[in-house]
Amino acid sequence: GAGVSQTPSNKVTEKGKYVELRCDPISGHTALYWYRQSLGQGPEFLIYFQGTGAADDSGLPNDRFFAVRPEGSVSTLKIQRTERGDSAVYLCASSPGGGGEQYFGPGTRLTVT
Amino acid sequence: GEDVEQSLFLSVREGDSSVINCTYTDSSSTYLYWYKQEPGAGLQLLTYIFSNMDMKQDQRLTVLLNKKDKHLSLRIADTQTGDSAIYFCAETSPGGKLIFGQGTELSVKP
Repeated sequence: GAGVSQTPSNKVTEKGKYVELRCDPISGHTALYWYRQSLGQGPEFLIYFQGTGAADDSGLPNDRFFAVRPEGSVSTLKIQRTERGDSAVYLCASSPGGGGEQYFGPGTRLTVT
Repeated sequence: GEDVEQSLFLSVREGDSSVINCTYTDSSSTYLYWYKQEPGAGLQLLTYIFSNMDMKQDQRLTVLLNKKDKHLSLRIADTQTGDSAIYFCAETSPGGKLIFGQGTELSVKP
């Protein structure tokens, strides 16, 4: 069956611009997670959705970052006024329920110039 | 706070066993995971162990858990060049989010 998909695979944007990153989880998975991976590091948690609601957004670095999951399936991570320090690979994962094994998408590589 | 530590590099010869070690801090973690990441690719779930188990074997992979010392290891038997990748250990935090280590880069020499 289809795994987690993320679009775009690569995004280059200028400092100060707005970007949206999309995640399409495995069908039927109620839990969805966003992580950020900087070069040479392990992924760092950003936000977790159970259904449509954000159950834990404690990893969002500041108020420039926002994520939605309006219908409990696809999620969009939104970054306003991008900064060069936002450059990283943004990973999405889904799970059948909160706390179970997480299956990751291929990631979106964001480069802010 | 929660923290996961791994050694950064491991080099082995093809056919040897590899052992990748990890220490974690959250004793309430219910599951501990091993993920594999190949260059330019996403994370592949390799295996996981429930916190009330000491050992789990899955084909060439053996996971050992010492809950008292908060130490987790992944043994890969008969290591192949295709096993070259970065291996991440992760613990679960309340709510299900994963806390990852920095990753161990495994290099397999022919």
